[in-house]
Amino acid sequence: NAGVTQTPKFQVLKTGQSMTLQCAQDMNHEYMSWYRQDPGMGLRLIHYSVGAGITDQGEVPNGYNVSRSTTEDFPLRLLSAAPSQTSVYFCASSRTSGGTYEQYFGPGTRLTVT
Amino acid sequence: AQRVTQPEKLLSVFKGAPVELKCNYSYSGSPELFWYVQYSRQRLQLLLRHISRESIKGFTADLNKGETSFHLKKPFAQEEDSAMYYCALKGAQKLVFGQGTRLTINP
Repeated sequence: NAGVTQTPKFQVLKTGQSMTLQCAQDMNHEYMSWYRQDPGMGLRLIHYSVGAGITDQGEVPNGYNVSRSTTEDFPLRLLSAAPSQTSVYFCASSRTSGGTYEQYFGPGTRLTVT
Repeated sequence: AQRVTQPEKLLSVFKGAPVELKCNYSYSGSPELFWYVQYSRQRLQLLLRHISRESIKGFTADLNKGETSFHLKKPFAQEEDSAMYYCALKGAQKLVFGQGTRLTINP
């Protein structure tokens, strides 16, 4: 049981390049989310999904796309990277079981856009 | 709308002193509140949830609906408590975080 995994751990992009951050979970959780973590800003929700085929925008969705074709995977796409997207990105999966909400985070991807 | 406010970005206390990390929230429904901790270069992990009313690593947090607060407290700080602490609010579907407080425990 690997929990939530993210790849890559580190990435450097040039402005305008595109890339996909991968996220996978093996806990069969219905909910998955992407956050970015910036100093002084905390964690801000980018996009989230309540199940396969269903996604919705969070607080800071501009510049990012997501899709959820399977329960396990929730990739985050940067279509045209900008320096403002330099951040640490965390993927999370969650579920409500017996009235208790549980959320687990991946190890993060540190992205630098030059 | 869901909103979480942690008014202190930085908090520094001496080992053995009491610690209180403040968290205020805004939510029209019935909130579910959490504290998460992130040790240096590690992933976030759940510390406390208000519905379980438990004490983890000596930390407690009480939900005060009248003051819309969920402050995290520990009577005697330890050096290993140095970390980033996030308060979070779960609404209908989303989990929203505060800005975080970096706690430093001085020896």
